[in-house]
Amino acid sequence: AQSVSQHNHHVILSEAASLELGCNYSYGGTVNLFWYVQYPGQHLQLLLKYFSGDPLVKGIKGFEAEFIKSKFSFNLRKPSVQWSDTAEYFCAVTFNNAGNMLTFGGGTRLMVKP
Amino acid sequence: ETGVTQSPTHLIKTRGQQVTLRCSSQSGHNTVSWYQQALGQGPQFIFQYYREEENGRGNFPPRFSGLQFPNYSSELNVNALELDDSALYLCASSSGGSTLNTEAFFGQGTRLTVV
Repeated sequence: AQSVSQHNHHVILSEAASLELGCNYSYGGTVNLFWYVQYPGQHLQLLLKYFSGDPLVKGIKGFEAEFIKSKFSFNLRKPSVQWSDTAEYFCAVTFNNAGNMLTFGGGTRLMVKP
Repeated sequence: ETGVTQSPTHLIKTRGQQVTLRCSSQSGHNTVSWYQQALGQGPQFIFQYYREEENGRGNFPPRFSGLQFPNYSSELNVNALELDDSALYLCASSSGGSTLNTEAFFGQGTRLTVV
């Protein structure tokens, strides 16, 4: 079955540290890839998306992600985190045999210490 | 702000009761998808409505049903509530039905607690 996994459930970093959150999916066909962020008490916001083209995608707030097709991965990165990045991060995938239904990973809760 | 509004924001129901949750889609969007987010988990797809018809369904029982209205707003109905239905219910608005390469915009959700 198609699935999305995020390996880090909780991450604690100090401000200015670099961030990398892992995301892997299981499916051999065409995918669209997304990272969403959920700040406490707020709605899910799209950080970035990949549909096609350059596998290195830049999003809002200094985030970027790289699609590595051979590894079925779409890891999220930020060179220097801020306290305001404290939130929960979700990787999501649409599989081309399932319309645009989003399949989410379990989420990674990031805490950035000031 | 995404322009997607959900009501109510919080709700407490008793096991066995029925509940209706509402969603107004973003202007210009004709597709609404519903997701269930249990505590500590990622959202799970319930179903999608496009032009007032169900356009895809996840692994949820028939007691989860929905409607979409001519103005593209939508309702999620859950009958015979169970304790495990306690979750955050998210509505996502998009355009083009199940067309690929579209972006979904989420509302803030309705927090349902079943006691």
